[in-house]
This record gives sequence, structure tokens and C-alpha cells, in this order.
Amino acid sequence: EAGVTQFPSHSVIEKGQTVTLRCDPISGHDNLYWYRRVMGKEIKFLLHFVKESKQDESGMPNNRFLAERTGGTYSTLKVQPAELEDSGVYFCASQPGLGQGSSLSGNTIYFGEGSWLTVV
Amino acid sequence: AQKVTQAQTEISVVEKEDVTLDCVYETRDTTYYLFWYKQPPSGELVFLIRRNSFDEQNEISGRYSWNFQKSTSSFNFTITASQVVDSAVYFCALSEAWGQNFVFGPGTRLSVLP
Repeated sequence: EAGVTQFPSHSVIEKGQTVTLRCDPISGHDNLYWYRRVMGKEIKFLLHFVKESKQDESGMPNNRFLAERTGGTYSTLKVQPAELEDSGVYFCASQPGLGQGSSLSGNTIYFGEGSWLTVV
Repeated sequence: AQKVTQAQTEISVVEKEDVTLDCVYETRDTTYYLFWYKQPPSGELVFLIRRNSFDEQNEISGRYSWNFQKSTSSFNFTITASQVVDSAVYFCALSEAWGQNFVFGPGTRLSVLP
């Protein structure tokens, strides 16, 4: 079974440019999360989708960040315009919905390998 | 509010030493889950273990072991006979029953020196 995949793995852009990060969750997982770790700090929650709906977007730092999950499958996170402080690693994660998944996996959240963003 | 504390910011050990990474959590929920993730230099987050609040049995997996103590709200992680490849940032995390409010600790950077 394929894991959570993220694209691009690395991106270097200039301040003011736009970047779009993509996340493909594990097939069938209803829950999709975005997290980020900037400047070697803590991993911070950004937002949570349940299928195509935004369940919680309280962690989105400002309106330069826009996340979508059309059709409840893959998700994109767009940063426009990017600022220097946006540099960091952006993680996507997926998790089975209620009633999905085995009793072994339970509610475990599976993370992608992250998208490294460098804004110069 | 949920909170995870990892008091050790950085730890350095010499290969083959045992090392324990501390994790203390706060939650008002009676049902919750605790996790450990490893972030090696390559950047990805690797799932290590999940433990639910009703299962206080300690677990051992190879050189890794976890000590869950509900009485002290701790979920410590021990690496026995550490190896250079264990060098990474280790995150402890806590979630409610079904993923809401999944909270990470600040991480502990472990350096294992040859």
C-alpha cells in the first residue's frame, strides 16, 4: 500500500513568488492534515480536512496560505506570496476516518516525507 | 488544553550507550493516544509507536522500549545500545480519541557519536 506522498520534496523560491505543495494521502483515508516545522522549531498544526471539508483551519498562519482538497482526495497548500519566514518543512498526514482502518492501525496518523520550502 | 513537553532539547551520547528521551503530557481526556515519531536528517517523519491510554503495558521493540506511566503522565522512550543511525529528532505526540487536536512536543535532538 502506498504511503502519504508529497510533491515537491524540495522547493527554492524567491520572496514574493507563489508555491503550491501537493499531498496525496493514503488511499481511502478521510482525514488529511497539514503541519509545518519552520526554522527548526516545533511541528505546528495548520489544518485538518475530513474528506473535502475543512474541519479545523485554526493553525493557518495568515491569508497567504490557502489549502484545498477537491473531491476529498489529494490536497494542495498554496503559499502566495511567500515570505522568508515561511521557509521550513511542510508535512502532510493522513488518517483513517471513523470506522475505517484496522484495530491495529487505529487512529494512527501517517506522515509524508515532507516538502522542504526555502524562500530566499 | 493538550500539551506535550519534552524537556530535553538536545542529548549527545556515545555509541552503545543507553539513552532515555522524556515525554510528559497534559490532557483532560480519559481516552487519548500517545505517539513517538523519529525525524532523521533526511527530514521525513517516521512513526515509531502508538499507545492508547488504557494500555499501560510497557513495550519493547528491538533496541527500543517505551515506559508509559499514567500516574506521572509520562511516556518515555529508551534506546538501548544506541547507534549512529539513531541520530535524529524525536517527537512525542498526543491526540484525542480520533485525531482531533493532535499535538506534538517540541522534539529532542539526539546525537549518537561514534
